[in-house]
Amino acid sequence: SYELTQPPSVSVSPGQTARITCSGDALPKHSANWNQQKPGQAPVLVIYKDNERPSGIPERFSGSTSGTTVTLTISGVQAEDEADYYCQSVDSSGTYVVFGGGTKLTVL
Amino acid sequence: QVQLQESGPGLVKPSETLSLTCTVSGGSISSYYWTWIRQPPGKGLEWIGFIHYSGSTNYNPSFKSRVTISGDTSKNQLSLKLTSVTAADTAMYYCARDSGIDFPFGYWGQGTLVTVSP
Repeated sequence: SYELTQPPSVSVSPGQTARITCSGDALPKHSANWNQQKPGQAPVLVIYKDNERPSGIPERFSGSTSGTTVTLTISGVQAEDEADYYCQSVDSSGTYVVFGGGTKLTVL
Repeated sequence: QVQLQESGPGLVKPSETLSLTCTVSGGSISSYYWTWIRQPPGKGLEWIGFIHYSGSTNYNPSFKSRVTISGDTSKNQLSLKLTSVTAADTAMYYCARDSGIDFPFGYWGQGTLVTVSP
């Protein structure tokens, strides 16, 4: 079955830039989306179609893609950005939805 | 503004059927894809399956033999049934709606916790 691979954890100090990667063989063919989940809350979409930002999401959130890897970048990280981040896409056939294992972002 | 609200029993016995409902307001289920996603305690998100407004469905192969997703346009609801549950099915269950190509989930319910226990 198709998998998306994320690092389990990323740590940054406030004001620095956090980068969270997601790798998958079908990512050159299908776009990736990123969801933020804070403790006890439902996920929130922060990036879609690799690099588009939904209305209401701060500009410090951005996305990029290179080959089989997509990256969520958070510039000028704030304490409120501490959360779990999940990438999501579909398999090569476009049939099945897949989530990455999630990355816990810690703001030191 | 589209809102989704999951509901159903919080406790289900092993080997029984888990049944949940997602009530949609602020929009019709007669458009888009409507999805169920779950999250076991302390673990990641897992896609269960979706129903398209046309009535077609698609399921995660991991659940395929146990899961049914259906929609009721008259009530603007979708439902999830998962048979033969075990403790491994204990999770927060979310319904969500896609917002475009490759299924970005722009709308989520708050989730409902289902515990499988005797």
